[in-house]
Amino acid sequence: IAGITQAPTSQILAAGRRMTLRCTQDMRHNAMYWYRQDLGLGLRLIHYSNTAGTTGKGEVPDGYSVSRANTDDFPLTLASAVPSQTSVYFCASRERGSGPYEQYFGPGTRLTVT
Amino acid sequence: AQTVTQSQPEMSVQEAETVTLSCTYDTSENNYYLFWYKQPPSRQMILVIRQEAYKQQNATENRFSVNFQKAAKSFSLKISDSQLGDTAMYFCAFTGLLNYGGSQGNLIFGKGTKLSVKP
Repeated sequence: IAGITQAPTSQILAAGRRMTLRCTQDMRHNAMYWYRQDLGLGLRLIHYSNTAGTTGKGEVPDGYSVSRANTDDFPLTLASAVPSQTSVYFCASRERGSGPYEQYFGPGTRLTVT
Repeated sequence: AQTVTQSQPEMSVQEAETVTLSCTYDTSENNYYLFWYKQPPSRQMILVIRQEAYKQQNATENRFSVNFQKAAKSFSLKISDSQLGDTAMYFCAFTGLLNYGGSQGNLIFGKGTKLSVKP
């Protein structure tokens, strides 16, 4: 594979359940990001990781957690899902550095919380 | 905090004609990067064009070009000879230099413009 994969492609989840969205990249990029896309709001940053072992909070982190045990994987966990977390989730990665590096996006996960 | 504004929620254009999508942004930084991303119905995010703020020359990629006005903080996208495959959501995005002004290298997106190309 080349690029970023996300799993699952889509999911319907009952409120209160725990869910982990998976993200794997094979480009050896240090920086990775999770965004959520909502109609009329564009994409907003949830969490980021500049290198393995470090993570940080973005614009809308509440209700989400991430980990970065290695370079390739960056899972996003919803500890107790709520309907407002219904969204499309994108994982992205880029080269670390100050250049105008392109962010590569995964295909997204459509999550519906009922 | 940086913000990106796209004031046109929806636009349409006839095939083979030219269309311009508007984007304005706000930042106190002097060096930064601007992007236009395309999201077709497949949902995939595709980079269309990028502009480095310290370059005065407007970026061009085939039928896509930008009009970058740094003083006005404006970054519009022009699509020439529009094709049916250009139908998509277009997002303008900003990123600061990593570790400058609090930037983590993430993209700050506008809310998007839905472009329909009509045959």
